[in-house]
Amino acid sequence: DSGVTQTPKHLITATGQRVTLRCSPRSGDLSVYWYQQSLDQGLQFLIQYYNGEERAKGNILERFSAQQFPDLHSELNLSSLELGDSALYFCASSVPGLADNEQFFGPGTRLTVL
Amino acid sequence: GENVEQHPSTLSVQEGDSAVIKCTYSDSASNYFPWYKQELGKRPQLIIDIRSNVGEKKDQRIAVTLNKTAKHFSLHITETQPEDSAVYFCAASRGLSGGYNKLIFGAGTRLAVHP
Repeated sequence: DSGVTQTPKHLITATGQRVTLRCSPRSGDLSVYWYQQSLDQGLQFLIQYYNGEERAKGNILERFSAQQFPDLHSELNLSSLELGDSALYFCASSVPGLADNEQFFGPGTRLTVL
Repeated sequence: GENVEQHPSTLSVQEGDSAVIKCTYSDSASNYFPWYKQELGKRPQLIIDIRSNVGEKKDQRIAVTLNKTAKHFSLHITETQPEDSAVYFCAASRGLSGGYNKLIFGAGTRLAVHP
């Protein structure tokens, strides 16, 4: 158990719908990262927040957005869902400071769009 | 742009043999290089990492080497066991404080260790 929690574990929805994925980082971690992993694919970096501020953006679609709240939990919002959005969505967190590199991954949310 | 290439995409070895996975990165400012292991349907887990001021690091059967000049780093697993079967990802980061440390991942290597 990495200490990073994600809810829900599984989500099944229809095309055109909107969903929200939630991530709680480890206690003390200020950074939250979101990744998308499609079937048999690698980890695609979506977006990173650090202490409430957006730090880096990857290949995140305009239909997707995220935010980090004052209590440091983060939400990833996916709208106008398409079949191709079906994937495992991971969040990760890391500690601040000089060695703020190691990322601890949550268990993931498996999204299925029908 | 930032890119990490990883080879091979699949690797099949006999139990007890060694396995080597190689990565090349494009961002010369990268200074942190972790390796993650991911079992089917599970979260990626860090198995070893190396920083740019070190050329080699070992942890039991696992070792990582870094050649900053050539922008190459490699994962070496000796005496492989069936439980080493998984997908392995390399990654690179600039590793700056203040949250400027996003990881760029390679495409992954599916390792199969046959008894």
